[in-house]
Amino acid sequence: DSGVTQTPKHLITATGQRVTLRCSPRSGDLSVYWYQQSLDQGLQFLIQYYNGEERAKGNILERFSAQQFPDLHSELNLSSLELGDSALYFCASSVATGFVDTGELFFGEGSRLTVL
Amino acid sequence: AQKVTQAQTEISVVEKEDVTLDCVYETRDTTYYLFWYKQPPSGELVFLIRRNSFDEQNEISGRYSWNFQKSTSSFNFTITASQVVDSAVYFCALSDSFLVNSGNTPLVFGKGTRLSVIA
Repeated sequence: DSGVTQTPKHLITATGQRVTLRCSPRSGDLSVYWYQQSLDQGLQFLIQYYNGEERAKGNILERFSAQQFPDLHSELNLSSLELGDSALYFCASSVATGFVDTGELFFGEGSRLTVL
Repeated sequence: AQKVTQAQTEISVVEKEDVTLDCVYETRDTTYYLFWYKQPPSGELVFLIRRNSFDEQNEISGRYSWNFQKSTSSFNFTITASQVVDSAVYFCALSDSFLVNSGNTPLVFGKGTRLSVIA
């Protein structure tokens, strides 16, 4: 158990819909990362938050957005869903001391999104 | 730009055989970290090892060993006497900065190697 909690574990929805994925990082971890894993693209970095602020952005679509709340949990919002958005979405957190991140990411079990 | 290449998409071995998973990376930075993660059939990603660019010593942990060679930009992973429980997808990853506010991509992953160990 990595200590990172993601909900829901599975989600099935229709095209055009909007979903929210939730992540609770390990206790004490200030950085939260979102990754998308699809069969053809592998693990793609989406976005990173540190202590409530966006710190790095990867291949995140404009239809997707995220935020990190004061209690450090994070949500990834996916809207106007398309078939190609079906994937496993991982949240990870890391030990960050001040402005230095040790780099070891602890991953949650992922949220499997199926868009029909 | 950073890039991680795992040329072996799938490997199948018989139990007790040794197997090496290859990882080749590209980065312009002199300071970087390399990682291996394991993704078993259950789906979660499990951290295996982190190695910084200044430490080229090989590391051994039980049946697992890692060979880091800067000269060839490789960070290969060997499992000795493989077991069925080793069946998983293994990812190699690279990070070039640990400044949280640097804006750099935290971890770049290879596409993974699926290892099947047959009893």
